[in-house]
Amino acid sequence: AQSVTQLDSQVPVFEEAPVELRCNYSSSVSVYLFWYVQYPNQGLQLLLKYLSGSTLVKGINGFEAEFNKSQTSFHLRKPSVHISDTAEYFCAVSDRGYSTLTFGKGTMLLVSP
Amino acid sequence: DVKVTQSSRYLVKRTGEKVFLECVQDMDHENMFWYRQDPGLGLRLIYFSYDVKMKEKGDIPEGYSVSREKKERFSLILESASTNQTSMYLCASTPPLSFEQYFGPGTRLTVT
Repeated sequence: AQSVTQLDSQVPVFEEAPVELRCNYSSSVSVYLFWYVQYPNQGLQLLLKYLSGSTLVKGINGFEAEFNKSQTSFHLRKPSVHISDTAEYFCAVSDRGYSTLTFGKGTMLLVSP
Repeated sequence: DVKVTQSSRYLVKRTGEKVFLECVQDMDHENMFWYRQDPGLGLRLIYFSYDVKMKEKGDIPEGYSVSREKKERFSLILESASTNQTSMYLCASTPPLSFEQYFGPGTRLTVT
């Protein structure tokens, strides 16, 4: 069975600093990988996705992620964060058919001035 | 824009009540999903449906059932609500041949 591990439950960071949110997955088959963001009191919104092709994927709001097959990782990065990036971030993997996703437990990004 | 709506943002029910959570999408999506979200546990899949009247169990189906009589509507049913079903419930849908899920705003259910 596939699983997704987000190693950090919370990541505090100062505004304009770079950030990396880590995600590792386990799956014996090819996967599709996603990062979703959830702002307070809202549903989830797709940040970026990796389906195939270039391993460096760019998303909305200046975020990017790199797929590393050998390390089974899909870490999310942003070179300079804003207060408005404060949210919970979920990594997800799809390999079960019917577009089902398995989510990690989430990482809360806390940006302070 | 894709729109996924859920019938209530907040709901308070008593133990033993039958609870219906409704989800409607307006983009003719085939696949629809129900998740529950709990702090520290992320999102866990309860049920999903890939067509009208078709349903599949997810990872935590116990205590829940679903109904999909029309393509645009997917209902989650708690036959007899219990306090351990207090949670945030999120509905999502995907268009054909896509893995991108579109989420509704969620229903925060409290069972007392």
